[in-house]
Amino acid sequence: NAGVTQTPKFQVLKTGQSMTLQCAQDMNHEYMSWYRQDPGMGLRLIHYSVGAGITDQGEVPNGYNVSRSTTEDFPLRLLSAAPSQTSVYFCASRGQSKETQYFGPGTRLLVL
Amino acid sequence: GNSVTQMEGPVTLSEEAFLTINCTYTATGYPSLFWYVQYPGEGLQLLLKATKADDKGSNKGFEATYRKETTSFHLEKGSVQVSDSAVYFCALVSGNTPLVFGKGTRLSVIA
Repeated sequence: NAGVTQTPKFQVLKTGQSMTLQCAQDMNHEYMSWYRQDPGMGLRLIHYSVGAGITDQGEVPNGYNVSRSTTEDFPLRLLSAAPSQTSVYFCASRGQSKETQYFGPGTRLLVL
Repeated sequence: GNSVTQMEGPVTLSEEAFLTINCTYTATGYPSLFWYVQYPGEGLQLLLKATKADDKGSNKGFEATYRKETTSFHLEKGSVQVSDSAVYFCALVSGNTPLVFGKGTRLSVIA
């Protein structure tokens, strides 16, 4: 199993550009989520999904869209990048409700 | 709602010292509790977990006991090494809700 994979590893954007951060898991997990990590802020939940076709907002959803058309994939879209979205983004997945959550290696995003 | 409070860092210890990182929680229902570790430049990986009251999770010399009466899940290690330098996150999940994290505690171990 590859676990949770994320692409790209690193990206530089200009303000106003859009892009999609990819996340995939091969563990047949129903639950997937996106976090951002900023210095001194811990991890903050952006969006999550409890299954294909179902998504919900987390703590900091503004400026981001998600969709869950398959169990395996959970892409995160930045509609119009802003410098405040400079961060490290982590995707995660888990199986049943209280099982261990597994994290991807992260995408480091720099918005100029 | 669910929340996790862990001690602020950074924590600096000498090699072979005893480590405690405090974690307390507020949750509805019967949460599962986790400690995750993040080494420099890497993602988060599970260190240990406990799924019910009085369970003890352990891994790599680290231990934490799920204490329902004090709503705590403190992380301990008897003798830290330089390689334990990392950021440690306490987390919980209750029912079909997102995993909730504490803010993290940075540990530096000096030789």
